[in-house]
Amino acid sequence: NAGVTQTPKFQVLKTGQSMTLQCAQDMNHEYMSWYRQDPGMGLRLIHYSVGAGITDQGEVPNGYNVSRSTTEDFPLRLLSAAPSQTSVYFCASSYSPENTEAFFGQGTRLTVV
Amino acid sequence: AQKITQTQPGMFVQEKEAVTLDCTYDTSDPSYGLFWYKQPSSGEMIFLIYQGSYDQQNATEGRYSLNFQKARKSANLVISASQLGDSAMYFCAMREGSSGTYKYIFGTGTRLKVLA
Repeated sequence: NAGVTQTPKFQVLKTGQSMTLQCAQDMNHEYMSWYRQDPGMGLRLIHYSVGAGITDQGEVPNGYNVSRSTTEDFPLRLLSAAPSQTSVYFCASSYSPENTEAFFGQGTRLTVV
Repeated sequence: AQKITQTQPGMFVQEKEAVTLDCTYDTSDPSYGLFWYKQPSSGEMIFLIYQGSYDQQNATEGRYSLNFQKARKSANLVISASQLGDSAMYFCAMREGSSGTYKYIFGTGTRLKVLA
């Protein structure tokens, strides 16, 4: 009954470091997405995928890369961390992108110093 | 461009009373979906209710109902008989479908506090 699993839950990075936020789902969902949540700004879409091998940019993609080699996994890579990337990151999945609820992971709180 | 607006940063309601959280949206896509999510202080995002643009009836899920006024482009969430556990952030979200991009966008949220 795992649902959407994000790791790590907390991370502190130094400016310029790179890292990968992991996201895995066990519900055979086609649609997966990454958001960042900043105070007063709601959730903003970073990247999304409608299936294995297919990814596209969201509203705020700069500084992030994604890949979707399997249905289950959708990692988010920070190439060179900047303080502006300090945020809470959520991964979400849904059975299809249409008309169905999204299931969210627990979030990753990232601080870049 | 699609846009979601939640104009109430914070709301208070007395326990057992009903409360309406406002959401307006803007889109030129005739096919879209509207969603409400709850985020308690623990941080997780919980799906509450969905309304499709072609749905004739307002969506309801238990104590939650969505007051969908298509001409006014509003999708307000109504919580009946508020409980202390309803205290949380509430986000309205929209997904456009016709373009094939399936991007979801979220509003900035409303923080609801239920008073005993």
